[in-house]
Amino acid sequence: DAMVIQNPRYQVTQFGKPVTLSCSQTLNHNVMYWYQQKSSQAPKLLFHYYDKDFNNEADTPDNFQSRRPNTSFCFLDIRSPGLGDAAMYLCATSISGTGANVLTFGAGSRLTVL
Amino acid sequence: GQNIDQPTEMTATEGAIVQINCTYQTSGFNGLFWYQQHAGEAPTFLSYNVLDGLEEKGRFSSFLSRSKGYSYLLLKELQMKDSASYLCAVKDSNYQLIWGAGTKLIIKP
Repeated sequence: DAMVIQNPRYQVTQFGKPVTLSCSQTLNHNVMYWYQQKSSQAPKLLFHYYDKDFNNEADTPDNFQSRRPNTSFCFLDIRSPGLGDAAMYLCATSISGTGANVLTFGAGSRLTVL
Repeated sequence: GQNIDQPTEMTATEGAIVQINCTYQTSGFNGLFWYQQHAGEAPTFLSYNVLDGLEEKGRFSSFLSRSKGYSYLLLKELQMKDSASYLCAVKDSNYQLIWGAGTKLIIKP
């Protein structure tokens, strides 16, 4: 089945210790997104890629970086995690265009910062 | 600013009907989505409305009134597995998704 896979599902790190979260997709969607979601809050868009074009949201901290080496893979790097970065990180994909462009989400990576 | 408003939490009884409302103020409108999110899991797509009216899909229906900036999600014949958060999201004039914080629906036997 075509899908979006995120690894790891659970990540525990220490304050300031870098973390990389990965996302892969078999849907051949050209748009990929990284969202941060904290408990009982709306998902917050961090970045998205239209094909290779990187789009950084204005309020995404510099501590967060992203890479998309090819169509299928995308990475989220948190260079120096703080306690406030503990959250669920959701990867999503879609096709571009003016239609519905429904997002397909991965299962998420839950980050704990000690 | 852009804003999506939904009730924080609702409670309903198994077998009953529940309506979850969503009001929005956005810069333009290019469609409204409802997603279901079980605790600790990713959101999954439920419905999409771009024109006024009711879209029915099995036990779930979604309604849109663009003039009122209003939508609702109607869930019929509630089952325990419907306990989840329901997220309303609007695509604005730049085709960016604006998300609500979600409505946590608790189903009681």
